[in-house]
Amino acid sequence: EVQLLESGGGLVQPGESLRLSCAASGFTFNSYAMNWVRQAPGKGLEWVSSISASGRSTYYADSVRGRFTISRDNSKNTLFLQMSSLRADDTAVYYCAKDLDLYYFDYWGQGTLVTVSS
Amino acid sequence: QSALTQPRSVSGSPGQSVTISCSGTSRDVGAYNYVSWYQHHPGKAPKLMIYDVNKRPSGVPDRFSGSKSGNTASLTISGLQAEDEAEYSCCSFAGSHKVFGGGTKLTVL
Repeated sequence: EVQLLESGGGLVQPGESLRLSCAASGFTFNSYAMNWVRQAPGKGLEWVSSISASGRSTYYADSVRGRFTISRDNSKNTLFLQMSSLRADDTAVYYCAKDLDLYYFDYWGQGTLVTVSS
Repeated sequence: QSALTQPRSVSGSPGQSVTISCSGTSRDVGAYNYVSWYQHHPGKAPKLMIYDVNKRPSGVPDRFSGSKSGNTASLTISGLQAEDEAEYSCCSFAGSHKVFGGGTKLTVL
């Protein structure tokens, strides 16, 4: 059974940094691209970032490019999202999602809440 | 990277059919047959319901179907059941990124 468990969310002040983690199990982690998707309060889902299976290729939404960094440790089956220069509009539930065919998200975690507020 | 446009809400009675639209542009929905739909119950992980415009993953009932015409994709749910009440979001590949719709709240009356 595929399981994705996010952690690392919390309350931070504007301008601060936070690192999210996603522990994966139930599939061959190093064979699949992975993604972060977020949902702000009262808003729709927003794709944030993707990383290839090897980790060599990364992609970002314009809203986070230059501030967020996606990475992975295939030896530990773990996905990361390093978030810096956080802003109030980064407040959201952040989901880790397994990639299907580079175009879809076939398994999702339960999400971790990030709140950016002074 | 503008969001796709979905109605904020739709509703239907048990047994009826509802269709949720997802309007994009020639740079996303209209350019690629890589449209997907996700069901999201509050507090739970989103679930992939449709991919490749009209394909269902294993385990998704055939009451759920997808289609696309031009820049607009649609999700149709037939034979509505109480457990279908959820938020539904469309998503399209758009070249270097993926773009979601704003989500549609489905209420089963």
